[in-house]
Amino acid sequence: AQSVTQLDSQVPVFEEAPVELRCNYSSSVSVYLFWYVQYPNQGLQLLLKYLSGSTLVKGINGFEAEFNKSQTSFHLRKPSVHISDTAEYFCAVTKGNNNDMRFGAGTRLTVKP
Amino acid sequence: KAGVTQTPRYLIKTRGQQVTLSCSPISGHRSVSWYQQTPGQGLQFLFEYFSETQRNKGNFPGRFSGRQFSNSRSEMNVSTLELGDSALYLCASSPGQGTTGNTIYFGEGSWLTVV
Repeated sequence: AQSVTQLDSQVPVFEEAPVELRCNYSSSVSVYLFWYVQYPNQGLQLLLKYLSGSTLVKGINGFEAEFNKSQTSFHLRKPSVHISDTAEYFCAVTKGNNNDMRFGAGTRLTVKP
Repeated sequence: KAGVTQTPRYLIKTRGQQVTLSCSPISGHRSVSWYQQTPGQGLQFLFEYFSETQRNKGNFPGRFSGRQFSNSRSEMNVSTLELGDSALYLCASSPGQGTTGNTIYFGEGSWLTVV
């Protein structure tokens, strides 16, 4: 079965600094990878997804992620963060045409002024 | 286009009671799935319904059940509530029409507190 590991539970960073949130996955079959963001007391909002094709995926709010099959990673990056990016970020994987999505434990990004 | 709507947003129940949560998917979406989110276990998949049939099921006890209606609206039920059932229950919808890697859209969730 597929699984996801988010390597950092908390990432503090100063405003306008770059950030990388790390995600590794394991699966014996081809997978589809996603990053979601959760603001306090809200549901999950899709940031970006990798289904196939170009390994560099651009999403909303200036985020991007790179799929690396050899390292089984899908790290999320942003070149310059804002205070408003403070939230919980989840990496997730599905393996096909179903919504059995497996989530990582989440990374809490805190952007400080 | 309206998003995924969940009701109620907040509720408090007593141990041993049962609860029903409701979810209205995005118009045109036929797949509805449910997730439980807790601080200890994170986000866990409960089950998925497509065209009124349960298509996938996570590793939860039989006290957790669901159903989907012909208009794609879904309900989930938890019977004999336990303190550990306190959680945010998230509903998600997608077109579910055979395209792999369907984007899943989440509602804002129902906060259940069991006392």
